Amino acid sequence: KQEVTQIPAALSVPEGENLVLNCSFTDSAIYNLQWFRQDPGKGLTSLLLIQSSQREQTSGRLNASLDKSSGRSTLYIAASQPGDSATYLCAVGFDSWGKLQFGAGTQVVVTP
Amino acid sequence: GAVVSQHPSRVICKSGTSVKIECRSLDFQATTMFWYRQFPKQSLMLMATSNEGSKATYEQGVEKDKFLINHASLTLSTLTVTSAHPEDSSFYICSASTETEAFFGQGTRLTVV
Repeated sequence: KQEVTQIPAALSVPEGENLVLNCSFTDSAIYNLQWFRQDPGKGLTSLLLIQSSQREQTSGRLNASLDKSSGRSTLYIAASQPGDSATYLCAVGFDSWGKLQFGAGTQVVVTP
Repeated sequence: GAVVSQHPSRVICKSGTSVKIECRSLDFQATTMFWYRQFPKQSLMLMATSNEGSKATYEQGVEKDKFLINHASLTLSTLTVTSAHPEDSSFYICSASTETEAFFGQGTRLTVV
């Protein structure tokens, strides 16, 4: 059974620092991996999607890497801003139909 | 990206009543949609897979008679929480996928009083 773990559970940094969020999964036979952002009481915003054949994806200040063999993905957020404060969720895709298994999330607070 | 619309965003109902939540893919067709549930300060847990034109597939421990799913068309899936009780209070969110990516609705905050 696939298990998805996110470390740390919570993270507080001063504005301007880089953020490093980790996600690990137990079964390397994944279809893809997505990183999402969730603001309190809100839905999910997709940040980056990495297909199983890819090693990384980048969008602006965000970069996500994927190492299937070791079962790890890392989300980097450069030069953090208070607006980056949110919960970040990692989700592993099982198949092309979109079924996902989520980690518990990392709650990020960026202080001005 | 593709748009998934979920309605209502928030609902309060009395214990014993039923609540219907709609999930629509606005600009693409989805033969498969998914329903997730999120308790406070916890992650999203898959409840069921909604299949257009056939019965939903429920995850272990999810009561199919309490959470009725209907996927009547390629753009609409509904989740009905029947005979709701306070313990059903939660955040429910749906997703639909294109060929490459899953897109999520805005979620529905259900409070049963």
